[in-house]
Amino acid sequence: KNEVEQSPQNLTAQEGEFITINCSYSVGISALHWLQQHPGGGIVSLFMLSSGKKKHGRLIATINIQEKHSSLHITASHPRDSAVYICAVLNNNDMRFGAGTRLTVKP
Amino acid sequence: ETGVTQSPTHLIKTRGQQVTLRCSSQSGHNTVSWYQQALGQGPQFIFQYYREEENGRGNFPPRFSGLQFPNYSSELNVNALELDDSALYLCASSLDIYNSPLHFGNGTRLTVT
Repeated sequence: KNEVEQSPQNLTAQEGEFITINCSYSVGISALHWLQQHPGGGIVSLFMLSSGKKKHGRLIATINIQEKHSSLHITASHPRDSAVYICAVLNNNDMRFGAGTRLTVKP
Repeated sequence: ETGVTQSPTHLIKTRGQQVTLRCSSQSGHNTVSWYQQALGQGPQFIFQYYREEENGRGNFPPRFSGLQFPNYSSELNVNALELDDSALYLCASSLDIYNSPLHFGNGTRLTVT
């Protein structure tokens, strides 16, 4: 079993829909990162969380330390949100990554 | 803020050769991490350097080694290349080890034939 599990693996949505991507982890962490990777490889850091909730524009990230679970929400999704979203946890100077969720938003 | 740049963008090597990949971190970022991403998979942590010292290492053999320099640049060296080393290699810099956002480069795509 992977230490960082994401669900779903693939997600297709219509423009305007509310999106939720989930991340569960089994190790103790000092921080959790949500990353966005577009075709071609470039990765952008969306959020870094150690507790609570953060919001940036249409994106919201939450983390529940007790349940070892984090969610990334996208409100009013748009085709430009199409990308792979990756959850990564920092554990003792070692970063562990989920396999990513491939999101496709159709116009 | 100049961002994180990696060179080269693409590279083709033959099995058994050695390769050096380079990363230029954002000025002031004391921490740099290197990751390997095989096609269709999530990144895997190779190692992290903090102020020119290796600070953490993932499950990679010793033929993967690195250096970090005082000018915020760093290198990833891979010896005795194997076919399975073909991947996208990403570096990311941050202000410090904990609780700092990561700034990624666009990666170097290495193909080993």
